[in-house]
Amino acid sequence: EDKVVQSPLSLVVHEGDTVTLNCSYEVTNFRSLLWYKQEKKAPTFLFMLTSSGIEKKSGRLSSILDKKELFSILNITATQTGDSAVYLCAVVNGATNKLIFGTGTLLAVQP
Amino acid sequence: DVKVTQSSRYLVKRTGEKVFLECVQDMDHENMFWYRQDPGLGLRLIYFSYDVKMKEKGDIPEGYSVSREKKERFSLILESASTNQTSMYLCASRVGGAYEQYFGPGTRLTVT
Repeated sequence: EDKVVQSPLSLVVHEGDTVTLNCSYEVTNFRSLLWYKQEKKAPTFLFMLTSSGIEKKSGRLSSILDKKELFSILNITATQTGDSAVYLCAVVNGATNKLIFGTGTLLAVQP
Repeated sequence: DVKVTQSSRYLVKRTGEKVFLECVQDMDHENMFWYRQDPGLGLRLIYFSYDVKMKEKGDIPEGYSVSREKKERFSLILESASTNQTSMYLCASRVGGAYEQYFGPGTRLTVT
């Protein structure tokens, strides 16, 4: 059965800290891995990773995929209170084109 | 910018009522999806549609049906609401052949 596991489930940091969120997966016919940020509304798309070892970067956020070890990390540097959200990881099953979601990591950034 | 809207942010219904959740997207996307999101379970796919009048069951279709009469609109129907359908319902759309989905703001449904 396809599975996406995120860790930690939640964490609390202070502004300015650097955080690393983890996503591991067991998905048949892997195609891509996606990261989303969910505040109290719609999940918003952050990154899509398809190739191993190539970092995607957007401002203070970056992500990388390791297809051999079946995981991805999302890094956030110099965290701000606006980074507080649930971060969702999802993997595309290439046979069905469906997204399989993890349960998310709840990040709280304290001033 | 892709815009996906859902008819209600919050909804309270009674057990046994028929419930309609509406989703509209304005980017001419072929594919549309309905998920429910519950604590500890993540997002689970209820139904999806690859095009007008087409529908496919997702992972948890029991107790739900859908309708897609127009490309921009995808409706989720709870024929007879039950308390275990209390949840956050998220609609999403995407271009056919792409992977990234764009989500609406969600409808928090409470069935009492």
